[in-house]
Amino acid sequence: NIVMTQSPKSMSISVGDRVTMNCKASQNVYNNIAWYQQKPGKSPKLLIYYASNRYTGVPDRFTGSGSGTDFTLTINSVQAEDAAFYYCQRIYNSPYTFGAGTKLELK
Amino acid sequence: QVQLKESGPGLVQPSRTLSLTCTVSGFSLTSYGVSWVRQPPGKGLEWIAAIWSGGSTDYNSALKSRLSISRDTSKSQVLLKMNSLQTEDTAMYFCARSSVYYGSDYWGQGVMVTVSS
Repeated sequence: NIVMTQSPKSMSISVGDRVTMNCKASQNVYNNIAWYQQKPGKSPKLLIYYASNRYTGVPDRFTGSGSGTDFTLTINSVQAEDAAFYYCQRIYNSPYTFGAGTKLELK
Repeated sequence: QVQLKESGPGLVQPSRTLSLTCTVSGFSLTSYGVSWVRQPPGKGLEWIAAIWSGGSTDYNSALKSRLSISRDTSKSQVLLKMNSLQTEDTAMYFCARSSVYYGSDYWGQGVMVTVSS
């Protein structure tokens, strides 16, 4: 079964900084990755699909990249409301496995 | 607008069967899929199962022997059954509108299920 490994587990950054988080698949998933944001007590929100396509209404400071086994979510000029957990998920083929998540905290 | 709402028992005894319902509005189950995802307290997301617009289904292989997903298109409902519940099945259970092409774009608020005697 495919394993999605996210790193780092957590990060603490300042408003206005640029942040990069990673998602590594245990096998080639081409560009079949989605990224989600989840705030405590809330449902996840879709940010990025097909590795680099921003979902409707997602601010352009969120950028996804990568293909094959290595993927990155970048947030340019982080805002206070970006404090959340971020998850990657394999899409297009079953199993639709999630990574364990990256926690983004603001200093 | 698109809405999904999960319903089910808040408390289930160990070894019993869990039945959850996802009632959707604003879209047709014959046009979109629905996935179930769970999240144990303080932990990450786990994909459980999906039923697609054509009626085909996919299951998490680790849970497959205990799962059944089905739908009633006339009622706009997706049903999830999980048997032989254990305490580690305690989690928030979400349903979400899904597509293989982009993932899950609309989510319900979730229903908390506690497995305890």
